[in-house]
Amino acid sequence: GAGVSQSPSNKVTEKGKDVELRCDPISGHTALYWYRQRLGQGLEFLIYFQGNSAPDKSGLPSDRFSAERTGESVSTLTIQRTQQEDSAVYLCASSRGPRTTEAFFGQGTRLTVV
Amino acid sequence: KQEVTQIPAALSVPEGENLVLNCSFTDSAIYNLQWFRQDPGKGLTSLLLIQSSQREQTSGRLNASLDKSSGRSTLYIAASQPGDSATYLCALRASGSRLTFGEGTQLTVNP
Repeated sequence: GAGVSQSPSNKVTEKGKDVELRCDPISGHTALYWYRQRLGQGLEFLIYFQGNSAPDKSGLPSDRFSAERTGESVSTLTIQRTQQEDSAVYLCASSRGPRTTEAFFGQGTRLTVV
Repeated sequence: KQEVTQIPAALSVPEGENLVLNCSFTDSAIYNLQWFRQDPGKGLTSLLLIQSSQREQTSGRLNASLDKSSGRSTLYIAASQPGDSATYLCALRASGSRLTFGEGTQLTVNP
């Protein structure tokens, strides 16, 4: 596809369950970002991947959160033992390079923990 | 630590008005600044990207400026339309390469 694709678009899960969110970046984009946006709030940085470099995980809020990326393709964000405060929209973005290039966002995954 | 502030938080204007949205930042050592719009329940749509060496960028009715020395960027929207109603976000890319976002300006253009 031409844009960043995220799946699922909506996810409802029970408290305590694990969830996996998927992001397919634009082909050829080496940089990939995950952000979280709680209702009515701004974007909160989670993690950044650039090529084969070690990811910047400094935004992950707890050890229940982890993310992987296979080469320069798909990324998955995993949340273990979900809590109600994890309810948010999770947004993924990609860009062609690390610093000077335009970032493009997917439509997000809306996660609701009940 | 980079801080990004957007003023005003909300703005309501009648259709046809020209308007300016403001973005200020504390650390001028940036690679670039990007303006986005976000419609309710949607992801972010990129509007304009300004590199640190540039002063402004234009796309249609939108013009974004960048003044690194004063830590400011503005997004000018000419002849506003109801379809421009959305939240506008500015984001900076600095050392470390993450995008740091402001809280956004919620714009309503009334017919």
